[in-house]
Amino acid sequence: QKEVEQDPGPLSVPEGAIVSLNCTYSNSAFQYFMWYRQYSRKGPELLMYTYSSGNKEDGRFTAQVDKSSKYISLFIRDSQPSDSATYLCAMGHYGGSQGNLIFGKGTKLSVKP
Amino acid sequence: NAGVTQTPKFRVLKTGQSMTLLCAQDMNHEYMYWYRQDPGMGLRLIHYSVGEGTTAKGEVPDGYNVSRLKKQNFLLGLESAAPSQTSVYFCASSYEAADTQYFGPGTRLTVL
Repeated sequence: QKEVEQDPGPLSVPEGAIVSLNCTYSNSAFQYFMWYRQYSRKGPELLMYTYSSGNKEDGRFTAQVDKSSKYISLFIRDSQPSDSATYLCAMGHYGGSQGNLIFGKGTKLSVKP
Repeated sequence: NAGVTQTPKFRVLKTGQSMTLLCAQDMNHEYMYWYRQDPGMGLRLIHYSVGEGTTAKGEVPDGYNVSRLKKQNFLLGLESAAPSQTSVYFCASSYEAADTQYFGPGTRLTVL
């Protein structure tokens, strides 16, 4: 079993839809969780960072962490064509190999006008 | 403030040739990382550095070497390129462990 599992998609939704992206993990030592967004032929950029169970909201984006189930989600409300990108989950633990992140393989999202 | 820059953006090599990829950051970050990204494989860590003069192996270090002679630069070397090293290479940096990693724009490398 891989440490981080993420459905690669692709996921196609109409503009305005609510999008749910998910990752599961097996290492209970993970303490902080990130979502990166990667546009085509660009480097990943941080979207959300959280280190506790529960929800964190930033505009149209909500990151949710459930440590008991080893499950994290990213919700996008009122999705826009500009949200079309690959979304990567990443996680790590304090005291791990110098802060190394373990990345999911990414989910490719397409929002159709 | 350019953030993280990578040189070159594209490169085509023949099997057995060598090359060096340069990463530079202007954010005074201690930590720097080299990843490769392949379809269906996600981002995989090649080597990383926790400060000037230090380097360590990541998940897929074979066939690569690195050096961090200056805090702002992290070099990735391929001594004898192989087709299996065809990939997109990303450099990243962070202020400290568990901090946000800032990525460069990537280098697309093809080995024929």
